[in-house]
Amino acid sequence: DQQVKQNSPSLSVQEGRISILNCDYTNSMFDYFLWYKKYPAEGPTFLISISSIKDKNEDGRFTVFLNKSAKHLSLHIVPSQPGDSAVYFCAAIFSGTYKYIFGTGTRLKVLA
Amino acid sequence: KAGVTQTPRYLIKTRGQQVTLSCSPISGHRSVSWYQQTPGQGLQFLFEYFSETQRNKGNFPGRFSGRQFSNSRSEMNVSTLELGDSALYLCASSLGGGQVGNQPQHFGDGTRLSIL
Repeated sequence: DQQVKQNSPSLSVQEGRISILNCDYTNSMFDYFLWYKKYPAEGPTFLISISSIKDKNEDGRFTVFLNKSAKHLSLHIVPSQPGDSAVYFCAAIFSGTYKYIFGTGTRLKVLA
Repeated sequence: KAGVTQTPRYLIKTRGQQVTLSCSPISGHRSVSWYQQTPGQGLQFLFEYFSETQRNKGNFPGRFSGRQFSNSRSEMNVSTLELGDSALYLCASSLGGGQVGNQPQHFGDGTRLSIL
């Protein structure tokens, strides 16, 4: 039972353009969502999070949008840079627990 | 500030053996979680320890176990290894108290376990 889904295994974007990574979830009880970035041979690195009571959170070039009615969140990267090329994971947490549910990841390739 | 340290980085074992992986969290972090990453499966949650107690558990068989010491360091043990246990095992730490959403987990670089 995959409660957090990233349906696009890969995405290619031109440098300077916007990258949009998508994530869908099935359980409306999740109350925090996070995005992580992972380079080969390294552990995931935290990027940005959003509470379920909000619909947008912004940090520099990264913005996360949450659509609770659609059970969908997205990560926007503007402008995209070659160094952003990595695998991106979305994750969700239930309130009061430290059990992260991760998606399967989307490999982003930013073309110079 | 030192990050999360996992040892060893690489490990090769044969079926039926057992293995112990180690994780040293960031100083001051009391929560340690373990994940298994395999191609196409993302990160699968194994378990989480806080103050030497298992606080959360994923859906893995009893061959997978862990423990946490008083200094918050954690070990994960896998017994009777199977070919399907070949994976990257990641450890993550966080402060562990208060509002979970404000305390993102910080990951180590993982231990790559290969079963022959």
